[in-house]
Amino acid sequence: SQQGEEDPQALSIQEGENATMNCSYKTSINNLQWYRQNSGRGLVHLILIRSNEREKHSGRLRVTLDTSKKSSSLLITASRAADTASYFCATLTGANNLFFGTGTRLTVIP
Amino acid sequence: NAGVMQNPRHLVRRRGQEARLRCSPMKGHSHVYWYRQLPEEGLKFMVYLQKENIIDESGMPKERFSAEFPKEGPSILRIQQVVRGDSAAYFCASSPGTVFYEQYFGPGTRLTVT
Repeated sequence: SQQGEEDPQALSIQEGENATMNCSYKTSINNLQWYRQNSGRGLVHLILIRSNEREKHSGRLRVTLDTSKKSSSLLITASRAADTASYFCATLTGANNLFFGTGTRLTVIP
Repeated sequence: NAGVMQNPRHLVRRRGQEARLRCSPMKGHSHVYWYRQLPEEGLKFMVYLQKENIIDESGMPKERFSAEFPKEGPSILRIQQVVRGDSAAYFCASSPGTVFYEQYFGPGTRLTVT
């Protein structure tokens, strides 16, 4: 399966702390994307990193990509209660569809 | 610019009935993707369509499921003779192009089969 695997499955931190989520995948990719899903809602696109990029920033988000290890990480700095959600990585292969991981459930405690 | 629209948001069907899920992509987007999410799981790709063409249906179950994206109107995901195992959230996404474009997701349709 090409599906990504997120680690950890669930993470609970205090507001203000940093949260790090990891994603591993199995096949070569065109790009890797991170999405957020609030409970019972649709997905919100956070950041896209191409296979020839190693790091990308967007506000409080920092994504790294290591294609040699087939892994990516998402760092959320100075977390807020509103960051509580499930976070998914998704890989785009040449087949033009996204393969999603199983997600990390992040809880930020106020 | 309105986002991706899906309707209905919730759909309840009895076993054996048909379910029709609609998706209107963002303005200017001609690529539509359907995904299914079972409880506590990630999204799984079902089908990728462009106007009037199915490009990739490798994630679609072989029977009872079909999808279309006509020249005019929304994309339709159709499930015939629904069974309890079809209960899930179905998400539609659209993009202006492929491969290097991000996909914008709709709010989803939650299908419950009783």
